[in-house]
Amino acid sequence: QQQVKQSPQSLIVQKGGISIINCAYENTAFDYFPWYQQFPGKGPALLIAIRPDVSEKKEGRFTISFNKSAKQFSLHIMDSQPGDSATYFCAASIGLNYGQNFVFGPGTRLSVLP
Amino acid sequence: GAGVSQSPSNKVTEKGKDVELRCDPISGHTALYWYRQSLGQGLEFLIYFQGNSAPDKSGLPSDRFSAERTGGSVSTLTIQRTQQEDSAVYLCASSFGGRNGELFFGEGSRLTVL
Repeated sequence: QQQVKQSPQSLIVQKGGISIINCAYENTAFDYFPWYQQFPGKGPALLIAIRPDVSEKKEGRFTISFNKSAKQFSLHIMDSQPGDSATYFCAASIGLNYGQNFVFGPGTRLSVLP
Repeated sequence: GAGVSQSPSNKVTEKGKDVELRCDPISGHTALYWYRQSLGQGLEFLIYFQGNSAPDKSGLPSDRFSAERTGGSVSTLTIQRTQQEDSAVYLCASSFGGRNGELFFGEGSRLTVL
């Protein structure tokens, strides 16, 4: 119940296309859903995040869509660029009395072809 | 420093040796996390420190793994009697704590056990 499932494992998109990565969870106690972006040799960095009281959040070319009833959320990258080529991790967080802990999906390796 | 600092960046050791990995979190961050990332894999939670609370050790894979955080700042992850399956990148992250906080990751320590 602590798992976050993520698909696809890898994704190849042409420059200018739309990249879509999907995640699903079981534990309804999760209350915060961030996406992290990781370039080779670097640590992950926060890209965008959403709370379950919102169905969509957009920041530039990046949009999170959240479906609370289905316990699913997805990342859409519009006008994908070669510089977006990276590994993307969805995550879910449980607020604790003293802080929070995170569960990460297995990651999606995105390649954007020029 | 401005970010999370980890050392060493690379460590090659022989099977059976002990290793120590160090993490310097961002100043003022009360929460500190250790994750393990095997080649091409996701982020496996190891341990979480939050302020003066007892650490959440639920992710440590065996009793060969331990971690401490001194003075609420620097953390050391120790792996005793290393095995080849311990080879991975060990990532440290810190945050301000509380709910819905952003994790700031270091670049990781790559451990290779021969």
